[in-house]
Amino acid sequence: KAGVTQTPRYLIKTRGQQVTLSCSPISGHRSVSWYQQTPGQGLQFLFEYFSETQRNKGNFPGRFSGRQFSNSRSEMNVSTLELGDSALYLCASTPLAGSTGELFFGEGSRLTVL
Amino acid sequence: AQTVTQSQPEMSVQEAETVTLSCTYDTSESDYYLFWYKQPPSRQMILVIRQEAYKQQNATENRFSVNFQKAAKSFSLKISDSQLGDAAMYFCAYAGGTSYGKLTFGQGTILTVHP
Repeated sequence: KAGVTQTPRYLIKTRGQQVTLSCSPISGHRSVSWYQQTPGQGLQFLFEYFSETQRNKGNFPGRFSGRQFSNSRSEMNVSTLELGDSALYLCASTPLAGSTGELFFGEGSRLTVL
Repeated sequence: AQTVTQSQPEMSVQEAETVTLSCTYDTSESDYYLFWYKQPPSRQMILVIRQEAYKQQNATENRFSVNFQKAAKSFSLKISDSQLGDAAMYFCAYAGGTSYGKLTFGQGTILTVHP
């Protein structure tokens, strides 16, 4: 079974631009969560989607948004990029039904904002 | 709000020895789960061990075990017979109730294993 796939793996943007990151969960997993990882703030929860609905949202500005499609694939978007948005963005999936609580993480998308 | 604290930014251990990583948490919820995740350098994060709060028995997975002290809100990870492949960043994490997707992470502990 394929793992969680995130694209692109690396990207460089400039301030003011926007970026879209994609996440394909493990087949059969219906919940997708996003996290931001930085050296200073550590791992912070962005949002969680289940059945195309946002279930939970972290404490991030409205520039950060996401969505989930009917096939459970998810995208997150960051608009008007700031230098502080440079981070590793991790996506994780879980089946929910019958879940043991384990999240399965992708390798991440490393965003550099210049 | 829930918080998770890992007070050891870095730890080191000799190969084959035992090391314990500390974690404390704060919550007002009665139903929750605690996890230890491992993030090797430039590799994806994987689950090491999990503990349901309602279970008194400490979880064990091969060389990995936890010491779960619910009243003290403490959740430490013991790695026995440490191996070079155990070198990684270790994160303690909390999930409330059925909010599996919403983890609160500690700041992480970098574990170095010396041959």
